Amino acid sequence: TQLLEQSPQFLSIQEGENLTVYCNSSSVFSSLQWYRQEPGEGPVLLVTVVTGGEVKKLKRLTFQFGDARKDSSLHITAAQPGDTGLYLCAGATGAGSYQLTFGKGTKLSVIP
Amino acid sequence: NAGVTQTPKFRVLKTGQSMTLLCAQDMNHEYMYWYRQDPGMGLRLIHYSVGEGTTAKGEVPDGYNVSRLKKQNFLLGLESAAPSQTSVYFCASRDSGGPQETQYFGPGTRLLVL
Repeated sequence: TQLLEQSPQFLSIQEGENLTVYCNSSSVFSSLQWYRQEPGEGPVLLVTVVTGGEVKKLKRLTFQFGDARKDSSLHITAAQPGDTGLYLCAGATGAGSYQLTFGKGTKLSVIP
Repeated sequence: NAGVTQTPKFRVLKTGQSMTLLCAQDMNHEYMYWYRQDPGMGLRLIHYSVGEGTTAKGEVPDGYNVSRLKKQNFLLGLESAAPSQTSVYFCASRDSGGPQETQYFGPGTRLLVL
């Protein structure tokens, strides 16, 4: 079983602060996705990274895929209350890579 | 487009009762998935389907059955519910492209088994 370890599990920060969430594994993934989930709703895709070393930016969010494609990070600059939610990383696994293995998630609270 | 819809939104069952959760998607996606989400456990794959008439087991399939008789629908059945099946169930679908394809999730079904 391929496991994805996410850290930290919980994060509570003040508005305007920066933060980084980590997603680590001993396994290689063909791609890695980050999802954001709000209470009472399903996860929504933020980004997909495919190439080792790839960096993608989405406004104040920066996503990085490790060179060996075993780890990823999500960095948020100047966090806002609207960033509050559960952040999930997911690695593509299985033949054809159409299954996702999810990390346990990072629950972020941004305090105004 | 409605995307992925799930029925019902919330259900309370007694131990031993049966029920079926319905997932429908209107995006003509080949692949469909059922997950359960428990506190501190993330999302765990129960069963999935790579096309009409096909199903396969995921990480936690015991106690569940599925059927994909029509491409747009994916049903999850609990034959004899147990308290350990209290959870939030999410359905998802995606196109049949490469690993970069997006999984689109429904709003979830909250199930309480007493």
